[in-house]
Amino acid sequence: NAGVIQTPRHKVTGKGQEATLWCEPISGHSAVFWYRQTIVQGLEFLTYFRNQAPIDDSGMPKERFSAQMPNQSHSTLKIQSTQPQDSAVYLCASSHWGLSYEQYFGPGTRLTVL
Amino acid sequence: GEQVEQLPSILRVQEGSSASINCTYENSASNYFPWYKQEPGENPKLIIDIRSNMERKQTQGLIVLLDKKAKRFSLHITDTQPGDSAMYFCAASAGGRALIFGTGTTVSVSP
Repeated sequence: NAGVIQTPRHKVTGKGQEATLWCEPISGHSAVFWYRQTIVQGLEFLTYFRNQAPIDDSGMPKERFSAQMPNQSHSTLKIQSTQPQDSAVYLCASSHWGLSYEQYFGPGTRLTVL
Repeated sequence: GEQVEQLPSILRVQEGSSASINCTYENSASNYFPWYKQEPGENPKLIIDIRSNMERKQTQGLIVLLDKKAKRFSLHITDTQPGDSAMYFCAASAGGRALIFGTGTTVSVSP
């Protein structure tokens, strides 16, 4: 089992550019979660999907951030017009919702906005 | 309220002693309480968890206690080793939904 896969591992963008982050959950896991980690804010929930349906996006900044899960094997987090304050490690986690509450994290994507 | 408070933020212990981290939560619907260990440059790794139908759980030198009345849970690392040095996060969730994390505890174990 490869675990949760996230690509790219590092991304550098210029202010105002778009960034798309990818997550492949553990095979068979039905829930995918996105979190963001910074020194100042710690670990923050952004959004999650269950059986590909968006369930809760209460942590997502309303402007510029969007997430999708077009199929059970991947989810994307898109940030439009990136700003320096978007710099963070974006972590994806998956769980076998319904069978277990355990969430397993991917290695994260370190986004740096210059 | 959705916050999870975690204390202390820094914990320094001698090798072989115990380390304890305490968390409190606000959401009465929370019923799942995992603990994650994160080493520098790595992702958080689940080390132990407890559900609300239990008061105590133990595995491999780790003990988790849950007091639902006080909305408090804690992690106890027994017989600490240098390899236990890391950042530890507590979290709470309701029914497998979003994890609300504490602010983290940096544990440093000195020989």
